[in-house]
Parts: sequence; structure tokens; C-alpha cells
Amino acid sequence: AQTVTQSQPEMSVQEAETVTLSCTYDTSESDYYLFWYKQPPSRQMILVIRQEAYKQQNATENRFSVNFQKAAKSFSLKISDSQLGDAAMYFCAYILVQGAQKLVFGQGTRLTINP
Amino acid sequence: DAGITQSPRHKVTETGTPVTLRCHQTENHRYMYWYRQDPGHGLRLIHYSYGVKDTDKGEVSDGYSVSRSKTEDFLLTLESATSSQTSVYFCAISSRDTYTGELFFGEGSRLTVL
Repeated sequence: AQTVTQSQPEMSVQEAETVTLSCTYDTSESDYYLFWYKQPPSRQMILVIRQEAYKQQNATENRFSVNFQKAAKSFSLKISDSQLGDAAMYFCAYILVQGAQKLVFGQGTRLTINP
Repeated sequence: DAGITQSPRHKVTETGTPVTLRCHQTENHRYMYWYRQDPGHGLRLIHYSYGVKDTDKGEVSDGYSVSRSKTEDFLLTLESATSSQTSVYFCAISSRDTYTGELFFGEGSRLTVL
């Protein structure tokens, strides 16, 4: 079965500090996309960052970056200079490029930002 | 923002009653999905559609049916609602033509079954 595991149900960080959210996944396929989605209290699902599995270079989007370790099937999210608006649930997910187009999610990590 | 509208946004119903949630898109995307979100489980796929009248089951499809008679509409039906179906339901869409793997989500529908 294809699974995504986020081992940290809750995390907290001081404002302006750096925090890393962990994610591991399991698939026998080699071609896929990985994502981090953010869900603030508004409930809207917002794409934070995307990584193509064939790319060795880690994706970055402003204060957000990932550490993609394909062999270890690990995909962590680093948030630098944390801001109060970063407080949210964060979901790791992946989707295969070929075959059934189904996005598989992890359980989520609730991030709290302490002022 | 992707043009996705879910209705109703909130619904309270009683056990045993039928419920239909509607997802409407204005993007003409081929793929449409229904997910449910529950604490500790993240989002789990109920059903998805890869074209008009083409649907398939996800990992938690028991007790749910779907229909897609038009590209823009994807309906999720609970034939006889149970308390275990109390959840937040999300519709999502994606386009294979400009495929980046990303799904675009609606704002969610909160269903409470008493």
C-alpha cells in the first residue's frame, strides 16, 4: 500500500526561528511528485511547495525549503524565519506521475508559532 | 484561484437520511476527487473521476457513491448517512493537460450526522 507518514502530530516554534517538519513515504514507483500543503484555520488547502522526484535539487519557495532524500523516501519541510501566519496544519502528500492519479496524504502536523 | 465550489458548506442531518454533496468547477479539468478529513487521518480519498461517467473507488469508499454526468459537476452521495460519516469533505480537481501533479481544493463541506 502506498502510505505517507508524518511522525510529529504537533510542533511548536518561536517566532523568527526555524522549524523542520518530517515526512516519510512508501512507494515502489520511481516517478512521482511530492507536496507540502498548508491548512490554516480557514480550512483552505494551500500548496506550499512541490518537488519532482526526478530532480535531485531541493525545491525552495521563499522561506520554505525541502530536504528530499529519494533513497530514504524522506521529504522534510524547513520553515525559516517563522511567522505567526505560518501557524496551520501541514500535510505531506505524493502523487504518481503514471497510473491512477490519486494524491496520498499523511496524517498532518499541527504547527504552533509562539510570539 | 481555481474555480471550485462546494455545496452545501455546512449540513446537519440525522442517521439514515440521504445526503448529496455537490462539487462544481469552472476550469474544465478532467480529474475530480472527493476526500474526507478526520483528525489523525489527514485526507483520505473516497472516490475520484477521470472523465464524464468514469469514476473509481478510493481507500474509504464504503457507504458512498458518486456520479459525474457533466465535466463540471461531481456529486457525492451518502445513501443512508451514519454517525461515522461525520467529517469535513473536500472536493479537488486537476488537469492532465497541464499536469504538475498539483490538486486544487474547494473550501470543504462540514457534515454532521446526528
